[in-house]
Amino acid sequence: DAGITQSPRHKVTETGTPVTLRCHQTENHRYMYWYRQDPGHGLRLIHYSYGVKDTDKGEVSDGYSVSRSKTEDFLLTLESATSSQTSVYFCAISETGDSYEQYFGPGTRLTVT
Amino acid sequence: GNSVTQMEGPVTLSEEAFLTINCTYTATGYPSLFWYVQYPGEGLQLLLKATKADDKGSNKGFEATYRKETTSFHLEKGSVQVSDSAVYFCALSDRQGAQKLVFGQGTRLTINP
Repeated sequence: DAGITQSPRHKVTETGTPVTLRCHQTENHRYMYWYRQDPGHGLRLIHYSYGVKDTDKGEVSDGYSVSRSKTEDFLLTLESATSSQTSVYFCAISETGDSYEQYFGPGTRLTVT
Repeated sequence: GNSVTQMEGPVTLSEEAFLTINCTYTATGYPSLFWYVQYPGEGLQLLLKATKADDKGSNKGFEATYRKETTSFHLEKGSVQVSDSAVYFCALSDRQGAQKLVFGQGTRLTINP
């Protein structure tokens, strides 16, 4: 199994509070991704990174920011959590782009009350 | 923009039945196509992929053929097992730099003994 961990695995927070989710990899892969999974929508890309300090927006980036100061860590921050951000968040990594496999972490279940 | 449409679920079959899960896509250019599987409580795992027209991806008895003329990538298995119960996601990548996956909504499959 690819070495990807996510923390925390579960979190309950209140509307308006900041939240940071962490993705950590031990594979030294260049690309890292954050997705959210919601019923009826599959997974949707929030942000991705193609190197240290190199990030870009995905399909549903509003309300989220990311940072990557080291190859192995990719942080997702909700500056002011809203109930619409209640979801399961998955981190993924890939060695390169195009047709290579993405490896997914175990997910973080976030509930915003 | 790019999009993926999967057949509505849930799908319930008996063991040893034939499985088809339909997937069609809309994309500019020539995307790569994927099937991912998610077992309960886990992240996604790549099941199979195809990177050009008429390619057939296969793994664990599952197959899918990249049909450019019908923009489809249907998943099939000749004889399903209880252990195949999971959620299946069809996805595409536009092959532009980072592998930004676009997912279908997922199809929940339950196999009864």
